[in-house]
Amino acid sequence: AQSVTQLDSQVPVFEEAPVELRCNYSSSVSVYLFWYVQYPNQGLQLLLKYLSGSTLVESINGFEAEFNKSQTSFHLRKPSVHISDTAEYFCAVIPFGGTSYGKLTFGQGTILTVHP
Amino acid sequence: NAGVTQTPKFRVLKTGQSMTLLCAQDMNHEYMYWYRQDPGMGLRLIHYSVGEGTTAKGEVPDGYNVSRLKKQNFLLGLESAAPSQTSVYFCATKPTVVNNEQFFGPGTRLTVL
Repeated sequence: AQSVTQLDSQVPVFEEAPVELRCNYSSSVSVYLFWYVQYPNQGLQLLLKYLSGSTLVESINGFEAEFNKSQTSFHLRKPSVHISDTAEYFCAVIPFGGTSYGKLTFGQGTILTVHP
Repeated sequence: NAGVTQTPKFRVLKTGQSMTLLCAQDMNHEYMYWYRQDPGMGLRLIHYSVGEGTTAKGEVPDGYNVSRLKKQNFLLGLESAAPSQTSVYFCATKPTVVNNEQFFGPGTRLTVL
């Protein structure tokens, strides 16, 4: 079985400040890793994912996440946040292997609030 | 293309009432999922389907039933609603085993009084 822990339930920051949202996972097998974003009163949208290859992955709106296998972490970072980044962010994993049927295991979510 | 749609968007039920949530997709995806979202708990998988005519239990299946009679539709039923089922319900789809990205619907906010 897999588990995902997001270490901060809420992260308040000021606009243009850097931010890091932390995610650790536990799994007995290798996993794919994802960050999803949920804007107020909307569904979830994929922000970025790590499937294989370079451990640093980037999104089109300036976020990046680094897969650290030894620390079983997949922290999300942005060097300068905007008001529009205010949302809830979810870290999630899927284990390798066909029998998982692509079932996502989610963390508890981190609410990022960007203040002017 | 509409993507993933959910009907209804909002619903209020009394304890003991029944209802069905509909998820529809026009992307010809094989896999479909129902999640519930509760504050501080992330999203938890209720049931899922790997193809037309198949369903399986997820992490929190009790009190829910599902059906996938057509590939494009995945129905979630509550036979006798309870206040503990007050939640936001999300449907998601996924095209193939290899491609692991899931696509989410806009959600249904259900309140059980």
